[in-house]
Amino acid sequence: DVKVTQSSRYLVKRTGEKVFLECVQDMDHENMFWYRQDPGLGLRLIYFSYDVKMKEKGDIPEGYSVSREKKERFSLILESASTNQTSMYLCASSVGTSGGQETQYFGPGTRLLVL
Amino acid sequence: AQSVTQLGSHVSVSEGALVLLRCNYSSSVPPYLFWYVQYPNQGLQLLLKYTSAATLVKGINGFEAEFKKSETSFHLTKPSAHMSDAAEYFCAVSVNSGYSTLTFGKGTMLLVSP
Repeated sequence: DVKVTQSSRYLVKRTGEKVFLECVQDMDHENMFWYRQDPGLGLRLIYFSYDVKMKEKGDIPEGYSVSREKKERFSLILESASTNQTSMYLCASSVGTSGGQETQYFGPGTRLLVL
Repeated sequence: AQSVTQLGSHVSVSEGALVLLRCNYSSSVPPYLFWYVQYPNQGLQLLLKYTSAATLVKGINGFEAEFKKSETSFHLTKPSAHMSDAAEYFCAVSVNSGYSTLTFGKGTMLLVSP
């Protein structure tokens, strides 16, 4: 079974702090994704990566950055957390060889509260 | 660009009743379509997907969906609801690009009453 793990299930941070969310997948997938999920808005893509050190902006990249130094690990960074970044953050991965029909496998999510 | 509309943020059914969750898509090229389910405090898991092989797609837990190009729809159904089906359901669309990025709908919460 594909396993995607996220470093924290719940996180509480202060405004202005730098926040790191970590995601690890164990299936040698090429693609990894970061989404945020808000009630009534569904999932929105923040960033994705299709290879080590490669990244592409998604629909809502403002206020976020990412890092992929190793194939299995994809980090989401909030350079200076703000209250409007309070949300559920979901990481996902996919094989990366079959284009748009690929299944994405999701982690359990990190619920971030910024005070 | 592609988009997905899910009609109804909440759908309530009785146990044993038909489940129908609606999804309409917009895409300028032939789409791939997905239904994911999210149980409380969990990530999303794939229910089923349409990849152009067959218009009627069967998924896990007795769910199925039919791709109707003329109606740009991909509605999810289950003949008989079970209490364990209570969850949030997301429809998503992708296109045959180099990356498997998904565009999600806003989700439909399915409530099942005894």
